[in-house]
Amino acid sequence: ILNVEQSPQSLHVQEGDSTNFTCSFPSSNFYALHWYRWETAKSPEALFVMTLNGDEKKKGRISATLNTKEGYSYLYIKGSQPEDSATYLCAFSDSWGKLQFGAGTQVVVTP
Amino acid sequence: DAGITQSPRYKITETGRQVTLMCHQTWSHSYMFWYRQDLGHGLRLIYYSAAADITDKGEVPDGYVVSRSKTENFPLTLESATRSQTSVYFCASSEDSYNEQFFGPGTRLTVL
Repeated sequence: ILNVEQSPQSLHVQEGDSTNFTCSFPSSNFYALHWYRWETAKSPEALFVMTLNGDEKKKGRISATLNTKEGYSYLYIKGSQPEDSATYLCAFSDSWGKLQFGAGTQVVVTP
Repeated sequence: DAGITQSPRYKITETGRQVTLMCHQTWSHSYMFWYRQDLGHGLRLIYYSAAADITDKGEVPDGYVVSRSKTENFPLTLESATRSQTSVYFCASSEDSYNEQFFGPGTRLTVL
């Protein structure tokens, strides 16, 4: 069983501020890293699937970077809005698409 | 309806009973997955399937059985439910092993 760790566990952000948080994973046998956004009482929704070292992905105000050599990925939220409040999950994928999830970073954006 | 659905959405059962959770997707995705949500562990993979009639264990398969006779369906059976299997169960599907996964709405199962 791999160790996928996310930090911090939770964070509070003022509306308009930018923030970022980390996902660390084993750097050996890397296949892909997934990021999901999970709102309360809903299902996880995919944000990014990243496969290459140095990959940078962007969707609106949310972006992510990937460093497979050192085993970490950052997720950035620029100009946080209340609708960004959610738990953000990262998951390490093997070649079969089996995901090992981290415990998530809960983001609360206050107006 | 297009997409991925799960049924039932809520289920209460008793210890020792057999329970089957259904998952259906309309995209003809090859890959399907079952996860359970546990406090402190996040989402953990129970079983996955790469195609019809191809299934394999995930991280926490004990006490569960799956089958996949048709591409669109991936039922999960708890052979003899235990209280520790009280959880929210999510089904997911993806086109390929390297694509994003699409999650169903979840089934909240309570075992008394």
